[in-house]
Parts: sequence; structure tokens; C-alpha cells
Amino acid sequence: DTAVSQTPKYLVTQMGNDKSIKCEQNLGHDTMYWYKQDSKKFLKIMFSYNNKELIINETVPNRFSPKSPDKAHLNLHINSLELGDSAVYFCASSQVTEKLFFGSGTQLSVL
Amino acid sequence: AQSVTQLGSHVSVSEGALVLLRCNYSSSVPPYLFWYVQYPNQGLQLLLKYTSAATLVKGINGFEAEFKKSETSFHLTKPSAHMSDAAEYFCAVSEWKGAQKLVFGQGTRLTINP
Repeated sequence: DTAVSQTPKYLVTQMGNDKSIKCEQNLGHDTMYWYKQDSKKFLKIMFSYNNKELIINETVPNRFSPKSPDKAHLNLHINSLELGDSAVYFCASSQVTEKLFFGSGTQLSVL
Repeated sequence: AQSVTQLGSHVSVSEGALVLLRCNYSSSVPPYLFWYVQYPNQGLQLLLKYTSAATLVKGINGFEAEFKKSETSFHLTKPSAHMSDAAEYFCAVSEWKGAQKLVFGQGTRLTINP
């Protein structure tokens, strides 16, 4: 009965490949997010969706494309992976201004 | 733009000692402020939040933080450290952009010595 679940937990891939990370929340929240945590632990928002509508789109390369098929799911697709994309990606959800619930993260390693 | 600075990337205290993690913020509007904790290989979880009510905010696991507008600070404290408090702590300020955009500090790793 995990609140925010992400798959896979670990993703190791070669440069140039395309990969997806899936996220699902069972909290009934309207808003979902993707955050990136770099090797120095710095966390930065990438995207936010509210009821399947893109609300926040930070300065992220257009190789990154979020997709929200319904308000319980927010997937992240990454094209043409680069070494610098290696990081931990966190999905989160919230109900408007309430606290964020984070998933346990997906560690992406690009070789 | 709002920002957060956490003083000290690494803090080490003895078990039973006072924990003090420092956070200063910059905001052009009254801020919403948060402390999140990240245990190894886990996501972040909320410790406490300030949303313009009481300036002294109590959170989970015995932590509390005091909002001081004059000092633009929101330091996190716990009177007596426990081994289980060892983790990475993040201070964050919230910007409202149609959704809640958290701007995080760089994090402070707390180590507890036996």
C-alpha cells in the first residue's frame, strides 16, 4: 500500500538510449511532480502536473518529456540519454498546497 | 526568486546532544518554509512546515524550528540527538506557480556519534 511508487528503482543504460520511469500515487492527490537530485544531493524541480495538465516546466532539456495519462500517474520519458542525466529522480504528489509525498527514487546511471 | 541557504553541509553531534541545523531563506513574499528529511536510499519525508501561523513549529521525531523574520532564518533543532536521526536534512521554501514549487537548500548531512 505504498503511497507514491516509482519503477524501476535502479536504471543502468548506455548513452544515446531512450528510457522511461513510471510513477503512480494512490493518495488521490491532484498534483504530481518530478524532482532531480544530483550527485551532490541538490534537489531541483523539473515538472509538475495538476489533473493531467502541465503546470510547472522548469528549464529542462526537451529530451525529457513527462506524460500524465491520468491524475494518479506521471511518467518521465528521456530520449538520447547523456552522461549528465545520471542522477536520482524523485516523483512526488500533493493535494494543492499540502505537503509533498515523495517516492523512494529511481537511480539512473548513464554509461 | 526565492532561495534557501543551509549553513554547513555536514554536522556531527554526539548522541544526546543538541542538534542545530541552520537555514536562511530569501523571499519577496511571506514564505512557506519546510524541513524535509531523507534517510539513506529513501525519498524525502516532511518533518515540519511553517505557513505563517505560530513562529515556533513542532514536527515529528522531536524536531522543531523557529521562524525569525528579522533574521530570515528557519533553523531546525532537537534537544537530544538519537542515533536514528542520522540522515540528510533539507530546508525548502515554497513558491506558488499554480502548483507548489519547492526550492531546496543544498542539504545538511547529520551524523550522530555514539
